[in-house]
Amino acid sequence: SQTIHQWPATLVQPVGSPLSLECTVEGTSNPNLYWYRQAAGRGLQLLFYSVGIGQISSEVPQNLSASRPQDRQFILSSKKLLLSDSGFYLCAWSVEGQTEQFFGPGTRLTVL
Amino acid sequence: KQEVTQIPAALSVPEGENLVLNCSFTDSAIYNLQWFRQDPGKGLTSLLLIQSSQREQTSGRLNASLDKSSGRSTLYIAASQPGDSATYLCAVRQMDSSYKLIFGSGTRLLVRP
Repeated sequence: SQTIHQWPATLVQPVGSPLSLECTVEGTSNPNLYWYRQAAGRGLQLLFYSVGIGQISSEVPQNLSASRPQDRQFILSSKKLLLSDSGFYLCAWSVEGQTEQFFGPGTRLTVL
Repeated sequence: KQEVTQIPAALSVPEGENLVLNCSFTDSAIYNLQWFRQDPGKGLTSLLLIQSSQREQTSGRLNASLDKSSGRSTLYIAASQPGDSATYLCAVRQMDSSYKLIFGSGTRLLVRP
């Protein structure tokens, strides 16, 4: 069966510090991968998606970037965090060509 | 621009009641609609996926319906239990080349013992 992992589970970082969140998927090959953010009082917003290694599409201009160095690994990064980057970050995957998305456990990021 | 709305924002019911959660969307050109459950501080659990050509999907005590022409979906929960307490989110995928899901803001459900 397929599983999706995210780490860390929680993170508290000062403004201006770098960020690296990792997501890995097991039990499937060539998945589509997604990064979403859920900010307090707001719905989920798609940040990035990837249909293959090195292929990243950005949905919202922002302070963040994403990379996919391996087939089942998706990384969310920032060089300098802003207060507004605080939120709950969720990674998701779907089978290529299909559309049901499955979500990971999330990372709670607090920027102080 | 697609907008997804969920009403009510919060709902409290006694155990055993049947209940309906509502989801509406402004653009009927959708590929599918997905219902999720989110427990506090946790990720999303996929409950049901309805393709645009389908009218409903069932899983256990859950039944989701889709009326694409009117831009509405409902999630029916039969014989509610305290363990059903969570936030329920609906999301639509547009009928374009994007893989993006557009989410509603959710309905927070509390089932009282």
